[in-house]
Amino acid sequence: ETGVTQTPRHLVMGMTNKKSLKCEQHLGHNAMYWYKQSAKKPLELMFVYNFKEQTENNSVPSRFSPECPNSSHLFLHLHTLQPEDSALYLCASSQDGGLAGFEQFFGPGTRLTVL
Amino acid sequence: TQLLEQSPQFLSIQEGENLTVYCNSSSVFSSLQWYRQEPGEGPVLLVTVVTGGEVKKLKRLTFQFGDARKDSSLHITAAQPGDTGLYLCALRGAGGTSYGKLTFGQGTILTVHP
Repeated sequence: ETGVTQTPRHLVMGMTNKKSLKCEQHLGHNAMYWYKQSAKKPLELMFVYNFKEQTENNSVPSRFSPECPNSSHLFLHLHTLQPEDSALYLCASSQDGGLAGFEQFFGPGTRLTVL
Repeated sequence: TQLLEQSPQFLSIQEGENLTVYCNSSSVFSSLQWYRQEPGEGPVLLVTVVTGGEVKKLKRLTFQFGDARKDSSLHITAAQPGDTGLYLCALRGAGGTSYGKLTFGQGTILTVHP
């Protein structure tokens, strides 16, 4: 595998279900991100992990719970979601450092539908 | 909170036409990136601009960064169907609590018809 991979690619769940999204980066980066992409909103940053430590929680509801066991893996645990949480969830990674703009490498995303 | 506006939201053109997409911010930013996202995929970086007034070219794509570092444009010459996708600008905060964070615009959906 190369780049950033995400599983599953599609997920349909009921509001009472518990599921997890998985992201893995094969780039040796030190930062990983979760974004939410909805049809009518800009890409929204949810969480940032830098060297496995969470450095950003962008006022995300507690029904979304991130986990970063090591610098290559990132999970997003989902429970009691709402229909408005249906969206494309994108994982990204980057190698932070320096003042110049850095590139974020995105996975293909998980298309989540909450019924 | 920095706001980033892109225009137009939708653009539908014929192959061979030229087009320009705009990205405007409510405040100064340290650097700006342009990404392209194709259906079923995540965004892919096209370019990063860091200097006010900077112009970068990537084949038929020309990126400009405004002198005041609050706006940018992407110009595509002789568009091709392969250019179809969602074009996103993203800015990196200049300082304070926004430093280092990427804020994305809502994107421009470009469709190039053969």
